[in-house]
Amino acid sequence: EDQVTQSPEALRLQEGESSSLNCSYTVSGLRGLFWYRQDPGKGPEFLFTLYSAGEEKEKERLKATLTKKESFLHITAPKPEDSATYLCAVSQGGSEKLVFGKGMKLTVNP
Amino acid sequence: NAGVTQTPKFRILKIGQSMTLQCTQDMNHNYMYWYRQDPGMGLKLIYYSVGAGITDKGEVPNGYNVSRSTTEDFPLRLELAAPSQTSVYFCASRGQASYEQYFGPGTRLTVT
Repeated sequence: EDQVTQSPEALRLQEGESSSLNCSYTVSGLRGLFWYRQDPGKGPEFLFTLYSAGEEKEKERLKATLTKKESFLHITAPKPEDSATYLCAVSQGGSEKLVFGKGMKLTVNP
Repeated sequence: NAGVTQTPKFRILKIGQSMTLQCTQDMNHNYMYWYRQDPGMGLKLIYYSVGAGITDKGEVPNGYNVSRSTTEDFPLRLELAAPSQTSVYFCASRGQASYEQYFGPGTRLTVT
């Protein structure tokens, strides 16, 4: 069965304190790994798609990387506005189902 | 360009009542999806559609129905609401050329 595990479940950082979020996955025939940001009371906001091991994507203070078993979302010098829940999801070839992890709540204190 | 819109934002139903959650997208996307999100759980796929007139079940379809008569609209129907259907419902869509899905703002449903 396809599985996605995110760790840690919650993370508190001081402004400017860089860190990484982990997403471990098991899926046969990965079609894509997706990162989303979700603010309270809002829908998930798309951040990145990674398709193959070794791929990296960057956007502002965020950088996503992918290996054959996990993905990392690196946050460099975070700001309070980066506080949100970050979701990881995988898609298997031939399936329309996205398998989501439970999410990781990030709080960045000023 | 509004993206994916959902109505209503909030709704309270009594057990046994029925309702339709509306979803519309203005991106001319062929693929549309309905998910539910429960506290401490990942989003679960309820139903999806690959184009007008074509729908299929996801992981948790029981108690729900869908239809897709146009490219833009993908309503989700709840028949005989039960407390287990208390959740936040998200509609999403994607285009043909890529696999990332774009989500609406959600509908928070409470069944009492």
